[in-house]
Amino acid sequence: NAGVTQTPKFQVLKTGQSMTLQCAQDMNHEYMSWYRQDPGMGLRLIHYSVGAGITDQGEVPNGYNVSRSTTEDFPLRLLSAAPSQTSVYFCASSVVGQSSGANVLTFGAGSRLTVL
Amino acid sequence: GEDVEQSLFLSVREGDSSVINCTYTDSSSTYLYWYKQEPGAGLQLLTYIFSNMDMKQDQRLTVLLNKKDKHLSLRIADTQTGDSAIYFCAENTGRRALTFGSGTRLQVQP
Repeated sequence: NAGVTQTPKFQVLKTGQSMTLQCAQDMNHEYMSWYRQDPGMGLRLIHYSVGAGITDQGEVPNGYNVSRSTTEDFPLRLLSAAPSQTSVYFCASSVVGQSSGANVLTFGAGSRLTVL
Repeated sequence: GEDVEQSLFLSVREGDSSVINCTYTDSSSTYLYWYKQEPGAGLQLLTYIFSNMDMKQDQRLTVLLNKKDKHLSLRIADTQTGDSAIYFCAENTGRRALTFGSGTRLQVQP
């Protein structure tokens, strides 16, 4: 199993450009989410999805769009990149354990984005 | 995440115990988690504790939960250089995503 795969690993954009960060999971997980990681601020939730066709906003959704047309894929779109979106982005997937009830996230390796 | 707080840095000597602390604000959290992030990598789950438990032990890891004070701690016994990483505590409430703390960078000196 590949787990959670993110592409690209690195990207440099100019202000105003748009791009899509790809995320795919092969574990048939219901839940998927996008976080950004900035120094000293931990991980902040951008958007999440509880199943195909269902998405919701997290803590810092402005400037980002998501869609979930399949269980496997959860792309994150930057509409018009800004320097404030320079960050490391992590995609995660999870399913609530039937016996434990815990929501254990599996993370991708991250995508480092620089906006000039 | 603004609702989960951790100190930013901890330095210990190899062989000592490390204690990483976390405070959270949402008393309805059902589970609390500890994740580890090594340089250049994503986060990996270390352990989690159900909110009706006070303590959970898993090999060198001991998690203590004080629900009254909304305080969570992770103790690593016999800390090794390979334990050097950033440690995040996290909570989940109603939604199917987690709220993370800012992370504690653990430095283990030989």
